[in-house]
Amino acid sequence: DAGVTQSPTHLIKTRGQQVTLRCSPKSGHDTVSWYQQALGQGPQFIFQYYEEEERQRGNFPDRFSGHQFPNYSSELNVNALLLGDSALYLCASRTIYGTSNLYTFGSGTRLTVV
Amino acid sequence: AQSVTQPDIHITVSEGASLELRCNYSYGATPYLFWYVQSPGQGLQLLLKYFSGDTLVQGIKGFEAEFKRSQSSFNLRKPSVHWSDAAEYFCAVVLSGGYNKLIFGAGTRLAVHP
Repeated sequence: DAGVTQSPTHLIKTRGQQVTLRCSPKSGHDTVSWYQQALGQGPQFIFQYYEEEERQRGNFPDRFSGHQFPNYSSELNVNALLLGDSALYLCASRTIYGTSNLYTFGSGTRLTVV
Repeated sequence: AQSVTQPDIHITVSEGASLELRCNYSYGATPYLFWYVQSPGQGLQLLLKYFSGDTLVQGIKGFEAEFKRSQSSFNLRKPSVHWSDAAEYFCAVVLSGGYNKLIFGAGTRLAVHP
């Protein structure tokens, strides 16, 4: 049973560019959350998607946007990249039902903005 | 505001010594509580969780944690540390139900001396 899959694993972008990160949730999970983890810090919540809608959002600017597809996979888009967007981006999935709040995390995408 | 505090940024222990990592949370009610471990360049692996009931919970890799409501704490312990336990440890909380997000502490980096 595959866990959470994220792609790509590493990415280097230039300031001002746009980036798309992808996440496939664990089988049976329908809710996807994205987190940003800057170097030496704990993960910070970006947003959460359920039923293809953004359900909750953290304190991130509108440059950060997302999408969830009918198969529950998700994308995180960041526009007008800043140096400060360099971080590990983690995707986490869970089921909205049953024993909720048991998140499964992917290995992340390491984004470097130069 | 809701917050999680991990007072120790770095801890160094000798292999075979006991370990306690501290975590305090700030909430009006008892949240769900988690400890995650992160090896360098990796995602987050769930060590253990507390939802309700017995305040001493057992996790994987020989870890345990004790929830103390009066102290708003959820400290992680291990009686004998192995070199492979060197990693970053994150305490996290989430309010029960709905679309609520995980809120992480800043993490404690554990180094293990042979």
